[in-house]
Amino acid sequence: DAGITQSPRHKVTETGTPVTLRCHQTENHRYMYWYRQDPGHGLRLIHYSYGVKDTDKGEVSDGYSVSRSKTEDFLLTLESATSSQTSVYFCAISVERDSPLHFGNGTRLTVT
Amino acid sequence: QKEVEQNSGPLSVPEGAIASLNCTYSDRGSQSFFWYRQYSGKSPELIMFIYSNGDKEDGRFTAQLNKASQYVSLLIRDSQPSDSATYLCAVNREAGSYQLTFGKGTKLSVIP
Repeated sequence: DAGITQSPRHKVTETGTPVTLRCHQTENHRYMYWYRQDPGHGLRLIHYSYGVKDTDKGEVSDGYSVSRSKTEDFLLTLESATSSQTSVYFCAISVERDSPLHFGNGTRLTVT
Repeated sequence: QKEVEQNSGPLSVPEGAIASLNCTYSDRGSQSFFWYRQYSGKSPELIMFIYSNGDKEDGRFTAQLNKASQYVSLLIRDSQPSDSATYLCAVNREAGSYQLTFGKGTKLSVIP
C-alpha cells in the first residue's frame, strides 16, 4: 500500500469522546488526504494537506480537524465523536495535486 | 453540485468476456480521470488514469475518455474471477484541484 500505515485499524468509541486517527507515510509525498467511505455515498474528502502545517477543508469537514507537523504524519481528530461519524476512514497520498492517489488500509471506526 | 455517476450494478460477465464499466461526470472543467478497484473490505487500488481524449491501454485494461460527451469508461478484456470487485471512477473537480470526486462504484462479478 505505497508505504502508508493507518492506525488504529479498528476502533469502537462512545459518543462524545475525542478520537484521533493517524496516517504515516514513508514515501515523502507532499500531499496527504483523509477520506471517509459510507454505503450509498462513496468516498468523500474530509481534509487534505499540501505540506507541513498546510491543510484545508474538503467537502465533509464539519466535526473533524487535522494536523500535520511532519511530512510523514497526518492526523485526523474527531473532537466529539457522533454516531454519524461511524465509517471507514482512508488516508491517501499523492506526489502532485493531479496525480493518482494511493490509499492506506483504512480504519474502521464505530461510534456507539 | 459536481457529480460522478456510475451504474451500481452488479454487472455480471462470464469468464473470458469483456467487461465494460461506464462513468459520466457533470463538470466540464474536469481534467484528470482515474479508475480504482476495491475488493470487499479492502482499500481502493489504482487501475488506470487518463488525462487526454481517446484510449489508453495497460495490459487487459483500456480506459476511454470522451470529454465532449463527458464520459469515461473502463474495458476489461479476458475477464477473470479475480477481477470481481467494485470499480470506482474518480474525477478531479478542476485543473490543479486537490479534490477528487468519486462515483459510488460499479460492482463487477465475473462468473467462472
